[in-house]
Amino acid sequence: DIQMTQSPSSLAASVGDRVAIACRSSQNISVYLNWYQQKPGKAPNLLIYGASSLHGGVPSRFSGSGSGTDFTLTISSLQSGDLAVYYCQQSYSTPWTFGQGTTLEIK
Amino acid sequence: QVQLVQSGAEVKKPGSSVKVSCKASGGTFSDYGVSWVRQAPGQGLEWMGRIIPLLHVTDYALKFQDRFTFTADKSTNTMYMEVSSLRSEDTAIYYCWETTTDADNWGQGTQVIVSS
Repeated sequence: DIQMTQSPSSLAASVGDRVAIACRSSQNISVYLNWYQQKPGKAPNLLIYGASSLHGGVPSRFSGSGSGTDFTLTISSLQSGDLAVYYCQQSYSTPWTFGQGTTLEIK
Repeated sequence: QVQLVQSGAEVKKPGSSVKVSCKASGGTFSDYGVSWVRQAPGQGLEWMGRIIPLLHVTDYALKFQDRFTFTADKSTNTMYMEVSSLRSEDTAIYYCWETTTDADNWGQGTQVIVSS
């Protein structure tokens, strides 16, 4: 199975800050990497697919980059509504696997 | 846009079974099939496997190859996930999830509590 490792596990930032979350896969997954946002008590929502493509309706302050084994989700200007847990997920091969999640808190 | 609507919360005894449904509302399931995802209390997301009715394929993650069964009813446009011989560690929220080239749809989640 492909292992996905996110860092950090949690972080606190202020409104307006630039935030970056890293995700590393245990093997080359090309650009088959997706990012999800999960708010408390809700199902996950797709933010980024194919490592860098913005899903419809997602604010442009979210962006993704990377290929191969190293990926990054960046929020250019943090908003209070971005409080959530963020997961990376590989769709290169089954079993599809998720990172352990990064909890984003607002200072 | 298709919405996935899941059945309601369940409380079950250890050793019993549970069957969770996922119905496509406002459309039909795509040919890509449906995955099931488990989220234990306070934990992350875990892909359990998927069912692709068009290809008569079910693909289970190794951890979910025993006691877990995915089925589909095309006549009612509903997918099912059944767990047998329930254990306390099966307590979780279970999501159905349809991902295609154009859409990414999740059910609202079904909480299953296993308790004596």
